[in-house]
Amino acid sequence: NAGVTQTPKFQVLKTGQSMTLQCAQDMNHEYMSWYRQDPGMGLRLIHYSVGAGITDQGEVPNGYNVSRSTTEDFPLRLLSAAPSQTSVYFCASSKSGDGANVLTFGAGSRLTVL
Amino acid sequence: GQNIDQPTEMTATEGAIVQINCTYQTSGFNGLFWYQQHAGEAPTFLSYNVLDGLEEKGRFSSFLSRSKGYSYLLLKELQMKDSASYLCAVRDSNYQLIWGAGTKLIIKP
Repeated sequence: NAGVTQTPKFQVLKTGQSMTLQCAQDMNHEYMSWYRQDPGMGLRLIHYSVGAGITDQGEVPNGYNVSRSTTEDFPLRLLSAAPSQTSVYFCASSKSGDGANVLTFGAGSRLTVL
Repeated sequence: GQNIDQPTEMTATEGAIVQINCTYQTSGFNGLFWYQQHAGEAPTFLSYNVLDGLEEKGRFSSFLSRSKGYSYLLLKELQMKDSASYLCAVRDSNYQLIWGAGTKLIIKP
């Protein structure tokens, strides 16, 4: 049971480049989400999904796109990278998005935009 | 606005007890979580409180007072491996998680 798998672990981009962060979970979780973590700040929600075919914006969605074509996969696309998107990105999933449902996090992806 | 406050950093001695406080102001309340995050790693779940009172889980306990907008995480018999950041998160009325910036706990021998 792999849990939540994120790739790549590290990435360096130039301003204006695009890329996709991959996230896959094998726990049959309905809820999946993407966070960014910056020094001195709490985790901030970028986008989330409550099931295949359903996505919604979080607190900081600008510059990012997501899709959820299957229950397992939830990729995050950076359309035109900017230095402000330098951060550590975490994908997280849970059985559902409410109550006591606990998030399981991927190992994180450290992105640097030059 | 919504806000979660935690101390930025705390230092404690191996074998001792430490209490990490979290105060929150959110639009509604649907539970409070504590996560542990070692440097360079992902957060992992520690505890969940939705009713007032103390939840004990081994060396870790978490307390909640909804009327005061306050929680604490109590770590007993500290070990060097407890050196980590501790994140407080509240689920608001829209069931979104609001996260504190985390408390970095340094354990000294």
